Amino acid sequence: KNQVEQSPQSLIILEGKNCTLQCNYTVSPFSNLRWYKQDTGRGPVSLTIMTFSENTKSNGRYTATLDADTKQSSLHITASQLSDSASYICVVTGTGGFKTIFGAGTRLFVKA
Amino acid sequence: EPEVTQTPSHQVTQMGQEVILRCVPISNHLYFYWYRQILGQKVEFLVSFYNNEISEKSEIFDDQFSVERPDGSNFTLKIRSTKLEDSAMYFCASTREAGSYNEQFFGPGTRLTVL
Repeated sequence: KNQVEQSPQSLIILEGKNCTLQCNYTVSPFSNLRWYKQDTGRGPVSLTIMTFSENTKSNGRYTATLDADTKQSSLHITASQLSDSASYICVVTGTGGFKTIFGAGTRLFVKA
Repeated sequence: EPEVTQTPSHQVTQMGQEVILRCVPISNHLYFYWYRQILGQKVEFLVSFYNNEISEKSEIFDDQFSVERPDGSNFTLKIRSTKLEDSAMYFCASTREAGSYNEQFFGPGTRLTVL
């Protein structure tokens, strides 16, 4: 069964600290993996996208990694800011038709 | 910067009523999508649409749902007879080209409340 599991479910960190969010998936065959940021009550906004041949992708303070062998990805946030408080969603797309599975997200709270 | 817009931002309806959710995708985009997110749950794919046809749909997208591009700018999702469990945020998204590698731009969502 195609699944995307994210951990932790929620996370509280202090402003300025780093954090890493995890994503494990079983979607197969695999096409790409995307990390989204979703502010409360808003639509998701894409942060990074990686295919199976890419190991890492950065977007400012966000760095995503992908291990296609173990089917794991992480999103590292450096020097967190209050505005980073949001849900971070891992989305995996398979090949052979539009098969996109969303993870449940990690709710990040950045405190001053 | 171009963006996807959705109206209304919040729709309240009685169970059994029909609702139409409206989306205006980015103007040069060709592929359109609807997703829903029940409160506290993950985003779920409903349907994709290209060239005036449904490209793909999920098991959620049953006969109660339909999509239409009535003119050159709007993309609508109709729910014929709403149920309580249809209460959710509904997101529209669009992409310029085919293929999941192309970034989907999401609208702000319509919050549907069925009473």
